[in-house]
Amino acid sequence: DAGVTQSPTHLIKTRGQQVTLRCSPKSGHDTVSWYQQALGQGPQFIFQYYEEEERQRGNFPDRFSGHQFPNYSSELNVNALLLGDSALYLCASIYNGQPAYEQYFGPGTRLTVT
Amino acid sequence: GNSVTQMEGPVTLSEEAFLTINCTYTATGYPSLFWYVQYPGEGLQLLLKATKADDKGSNKGFEATYRKETTSFHLEKGSVQVSDSAVYFCALTTTSGTYKYIFGTGTRLKVLA
Repeated sequence: DAGVTQSPTHLIKTRGQQVTLRCSPKSGHDTVSWYQQALGQGPQFIFQYYEEEERQRGNFPDRFSGHQFPNYSSELNVNALLLGDSALYLCASIYNGQPAYEQYFGPGTRLTVT
Repeated sequence: GNSVTQMEGPVTLSEEAFLTINCTYTATGYPSLFWYVQYPGEGLQLLLKATKADDKGSNKGFEATYRKETTSFHLEKGSVQVSDSAVYFCALTTTSGTYKYIFGTGTRLKVLA
């Protein structure tokens, strides 16, 4: 079992560009959450997907959008990138109905906006 | 709203020293509490958990007790090792079932040989 995987590992983009990050959940998991971790900060909840729909959203602008596919994998899209979007983006997965401590995190994608 | 407050780091200790990292929380209802660890260049790993008041979570020599009366979940270890050097995050989730975590800002621990 590969656990939660994310791609790419690192990414460098320019202000104003758009970026897509990808997440494959742990085998058997159907719920995917995304977090933004700025340097020196704790992760901040962006949104969560279940049954291909956004179930809950944190305090992030509409520039942040996502998608979940029938195989439960997910994408995070960020439009009109700002310097402040530079961060580690973490994906977490779980099977809906399990206790929260069964949630697994991926290694993250490091996004740098120049 | 729900929040987690952790002691600021970095914390620098000599090997075999006693470790305490303070964590307090504000939450409605009955949250579950967690400590996660992040090693350099890696994602988050669950270190330990407690799901109700007075529960003690433990793993790899680390312990934390869910204290509802003081809304605290302090992390302790009796004898740290160089390999414990990492960033430690206290977190909570409510029982709403949506799996949204609230994290503290993290505490960096550096253990010197």
